[in-house]
Amino acid sequence: LAKTTQPISMDSYEGQEVNITCSHNNIATNDYITWYQQFPSQGPRFIIQGYKTKVTNEVASLFIPADRKSSTLSLPRVSLSDTAVYYCLVGQTVGGYNKLIFGAGTRLAVHP
Amino acid sequence: DVKVTQSSRYLVKRTGEKVFLECVQDMDHENMFWYRQDPGLGLRLIYFSYDVKMKEKGDIPEGYSVSREKKERFSLILESASTNQTSMYLCASSPGGDYGYTFGSGTRLTVV
Repeated sequence: LAKTTQPISMDSYEGQEVNITCSHNNIATNDYITWYQQFPSQGPRFIIQGYKTKVTNEVASLFIPADRKSSTLSLPRVSLSDTAVYYCLVGQTVGGYNKLIFGAGTRLAVHP
Repeated sequence: DVKVTQSSRYLVKRTGEKVFLECVQDMDHENMFWYRQDPGLGLRLIYFSYDVKMKEKGDIPEGYSVSREKKERFSLILESASTNQTSMYLCASSPGGDYGYTFGSGTRLTVV
C-alpha cells in the first residue's frame, strides 16, 4: 500500500505562494493523487486530484513529476483563510476495493 | 452540491450506552465511510460500505458496528460506549473508488 510523507507543518505570510510537497514512493500504476483541506471542527474538503504532469483549478495547482513518486500542491497568494491542515492521499486498493488512508497532514499557518 | 449530513454535531453519552451515529447523503453515492479523528492520530477508517447491506472493516473496527439498510444512509453503532471512544466522527461518501470524497461536518462525541 502506498504511504505518503509530507511535512508536519509550514508557515507562510499573506500574499505568498505556498508549495507543499508529498512523497509517495510506492504509488501504484493506477493510483491517483488527491489533496484535501481541513479547517478546525469541519470535515476534509476535496481540493484537487491528478494522475501526472500538472493540474490546475480555481483553488490550487498540482504538479506531478514523470516518476510520480512525489507531488506538490501549490497555493497561489495565500490568505489567512487558507490556514488549515492539508492532506495528500494516494488511492489504496484493498481486496479489490479502493479506500482512502489519511496521513497526519501538513498544518499550514498563514500569518498577516 | 453533494450533501453529507450527520445527525448530531455534538453528543454526550454515558459509558455503557448504545450509541447510534447517523449519516445521510443525497447524491446516490455507492460508497460510504466512517472515520474517527483524534489529535495527533489523524483520520482513521473504522468501517466502509460499497453497497446496501454490505460492509467492510477498516483499520480500527473494534467496538463498532455499522448498518446500511438503504443506499443513502450509513449508521455507525457503538455497542457499549467507552471513554476511549470520545472523538470526532466523520462520515464520507463517494461515487466510486477513492475519488472525490465528500465529508460531513462531523459529530463530536464525548463519552463520560
